[in-house]
Amino acid sequence: DTGVSQNPRHKITKRGQNVTFRCDPISEHNRLYWYRQTLGQGPEFLTYFQNEAQLEKSRLLSDRFSAERPKGSFSTLEIQRTEQGDSAMYLCASSYKGRQETQYFGPGTRLLVL
Amino acid sequence: AQSVTQPDIHITVSEGASLELRCNYSYGATPYLFWYVQSPGQGLQLLLKYFSGDTLVQGIKGFEAEFKRSQSSFNLRKPSVHWSDAAEYFCAVSHMEYGNKLVFGAGTILRVKS
Repeated sequence: DTGVSQNPRHKITKRGQNVTFRCDPISEHNRLYWYRQTLGQGPEFLTYFQNEAQLEKSRLLSDRFSAERPKGSFSTLEIQRTEQGDSAMYLCASSYKGRQETQYFGPGTRLLVL
Repeated sequence: AQSVTQPDIHITVSEGASLELRCNYSYGATPYLFWYVQSPGQGLQLLLKYFSGDTLVQGIKGFEAEFKRSQSSFNLRKPSVHWSDAAEYFCAVSHMEYGNKLVFGAGTILRVKS
């Protein structure tokens, strides 16, 4: 069991650029969650998938954000026209259908928008 | 609205001393309850969880937590702190009615002095 992996671990970009992050969940975990964590705060829910279906999106997820999980395995989170306020740690978590309530987190992708 | 309060932003304890981190929640029903730990720049590691049954739950690294329904609390304890316990601790709640998405507190930073 290799755990949840996220790439890249760090990303520095200029305001207005697009960025894409990838999350690979634990094998056979059917649910995948994205959270955002800003400095000094706890993580906040962004969106989640069950298999390839996106079941819920937070109002934090503006229309500049899009997430996909095309084959029900890995997921991508894209931010278009980045703003300085997007600077944060983006965390991915997954859970197994026999134990949906327990989420396992990846190491996160830290985004800095200059 | 669901919310989690961790009243202590920072706590400093001496190595070998006991520890208690406080967590209170506001939720429509009795939620699932979790404690996660985060080392600097890292993802979240699950320490322990409560779903039902015995209100005192044991976790990894010698941590335990007690659920008190009357106080809407889920405090984390450890009888003897080690220097390696220095990290940030997050209390979180979820419920399957809300897609098991986690709602986190703002976190408590634990410092251990030798």
